[in-house]
Amino acid sequence: QVQMKETGPGLVQTTQTLSVACTVSRFSLSSYGVHWIRQAPGKGLDWLGVIWGDGNTNYNSALISRLTISWDPSKSQVFLTMNSLHTDDTAVYYCAGNNSPRIWYVLDAWGQGASVTVSS
Amino acid sequence: DIQMTQSPASLSASLEEVVTITCKASQGIDDYLSWYQQKPGKSPQLLIYDATNLADGVPSRFSGSRSGTQFSLKIRRPQVDDSGIYYCLQSFSTPWTFGGGTKLEL
Repeated sequence: QVQMKETGPGLVQTTQTLSVACTVSRFSLSSYGVHWIRQAPGKGLDWLGVIWGDGNTNYNSALISRLTISWDPSKSQVFLTMNSLHTDDTAVYYCAGNNSPRIWYVLDAWGQGASVTVSS
Repeated sequence: DIQMTQSPASLSASLEEVVTITCKASQGIDDYLSWYQQKPGKSPQLLIYDATNLADGVPSRFSGSRSGTQFSLKIRRPQVDDSGIYYCLQSFSTPWTFGGGTKLEL
């Protein structure tokens, strides 16, 4: 089974840049997409974006100017970068993917999430 | 962007009921609709994909259906362990979008 684990800074300041890493195992980054989803406290799931197996990316329309998703396949890592942080970017940030290329369009493998607090 | 309108936002059900949660897409998404269950403090878990297919290990009391752009998740004779928040997700086109979620209490 695919395993995914997020690593984040925990606390960041407003106006700063957030970087969260997703380390994957039993999973080839060149074969599957890795998605980022966030969940603000007490709120629903918000899809942020994806990096596909060919390195192409797609982003949430409302956040596209602030987001960058990149990767280092040699380290089995995918990175989410978000700039110009506001306090309402406080959330749990998840990376997610899938176990089967046949159903690449679902998310059946999730990390445990990285909790990020943005404080002024 | 495709909007996913999910209802109800919350519901309380008994163990003898059939629980129905719906998601309506703002445009056609074929069967690119999946359902997820999230329990407090945990990551979401896939329940159903392709609108009607049960994910591995998901109990048969869960089922999904589609009528046009409206999708439903049904839970027959729900168990206490089915309490949580349920989300739909469209993956027909990017950006992917989630429904707002339904909190189920039993």
